[in-house]
Amino acid sequence: EIVMTQSPATLSVSPGERATLSCRASQSVSSNLAWYQQKPGQAPRLLIYGASTRATGIPARFSGSGSGTEFTLTISSLQSEDFAVYYCQQYNNWYTFGQGTKLEIK
Amino acid sequence: EVQLVESGGGLVQPGRSLRLSCTASGFTFGDYAMSWVRQAPGKGLEWVGFIRSKAYGGTTEYAASVKGRFTISRDDSKSIAYLQMNSLKTEDTAVYYCTRVGAVADFLDYWGQGTLVTVSS
Repeated sequence: EIVMTQSPATLSVSPGERATLSCRASQSVSSNLAWYQQKPGQAPRLLIYGASTRATGIPARFSGSGSGTEFTLTISSLQSEDFAVYYCQQYNNWYTFGQGTKLEIK
Repeated sequence: EVQLVESGGGLVQPGRSLRLSCTASGFTFGDYAMSWVRQAPGKGLEWVGFIRSKAYGGTTEYAASVKGRFTISRDDSKSIAYLQMNSLKTEDTAVYYCTRVGAVADFLDYWGQGTLVTVSS
């Protein structure tokens, strides 16, 4: 099983600032990496697939990068609605999720 | 608009069975693989399994934690996916999400709102 490790577990950032979230795979997943956002009491929402392609309707302030085993989700200028939990997921070999990064207001 | 609506959750005793349904609308259901993901209270996301479209044999794959106990099926005429859960354990307590598998690659592009399954005596 491919293990996905996200860091940090919690990230405190002020509105308007940049947030950088990391995700590492225990073995190469090529570019088969997705990012999801989950707000309290809601289902996850797809943000990024193919490591760097924004899903339909996702604002341009969200960007993804990386390939192989190292991936990054960047939110360029945080809005109030962006504070949530973010999960990475590999779909190269079945599916495994990272444990999540909670993005909180500083 | 793509919509996925889960139903069938509730309280069930350990060792018993429960069947969840996922009713889809807003897309041609039969063209897509469907997947189930669960989330235990206060925890992260765990993939449960998926079913391919009939064009790819309609075959299924499962996570090791549920293999042999859970079965996914589909009724394309009704646009419904099912998750049959047998021999339930307390550790199966979770919100169960139905998801659509993307057309261009296997990411999960749409999610239902989830249904809570509580396994407790």
